[in-house]
Amino acid sequence: GQQVQQSPASLVLQEGENAELQCNFSSTATRLQWFYQRPGGSLVSLLSNPSGTKHTGRLTSTTVTKERRGSLHISSSQITDSGTYLCAMGPNSAGNKLTFGIGTRVLVRP
Amino acid sequence: EAAVTQSPRNKVTVTGGNVTLSCRQTNSHNYMYWYRQDTGHGLRLIHYSYGAGNLQIGDVPDGYKATRTTQEDFFLLLELASPSQTSLYFCASSERGRQNTLYFGAGTRLSVL
Repeated sequence: GQQVQQSPASLVLQEGENAELQCNFSSTATRLQWFYQRPGGSLVSLLSNPSGTKHTGRLTSTTVTKERRGSLHISSSQITDSGTYLCAMGPNSAGNKLTFGIGTRVLVRP
Repeated sequence: EAAVTQSPRNKVTVTGGNVTLSCRQTNSHNYMYWYRQDTGHGLRLIHYSYGAGNLQIGDVPDGYKATRTTQEDFFLLLELASPSQTSLYFCASSERGRQNTLYFGAGTRLSVL
């Protein structure tokens, strides 16, 4: 079946540092979404990016569909960025049936 | 902001027990989903629905039933709970369409003893 692999598994940052999270997926007919999971467990959608580059705040998502990879860049990290970042891919059809990666756990230290 | 409310937030049952997890969304989204999250696995889709009365099978449906009674309400049923179903369960909803955002509930932590 479809697979999503994320790297690194975990990351420790000093506040203010930048970070790049990677996502590789198994299908080219896909769109990529990034989610943030708070330490308490709740999930929020960050970005949906089928191809190219997309920005929101300090986050930049880049998806290269033909190469089956994407990345999420976090600039000027803050302590409140700590948590788990999940990459998910879905088919280019109606609905939102996503396949999730295991996530990258990020810890930002003061 | 779409609201997705799950209940209960925590549940403990015994092997063979009967459990119903509830989910309500208040933004009239067409699609609703049940996922489970376990250490070492990403979120895995159990069942989903694109409207009242509709049910679609996800990737890990064994041992689960689901029912979408209204546009707002989606239930996940474990009729003979097993320890392997101990997990964190998330409900989510989204609008119709390819690029629409998933809105998640806060999760239900289920322990089957």
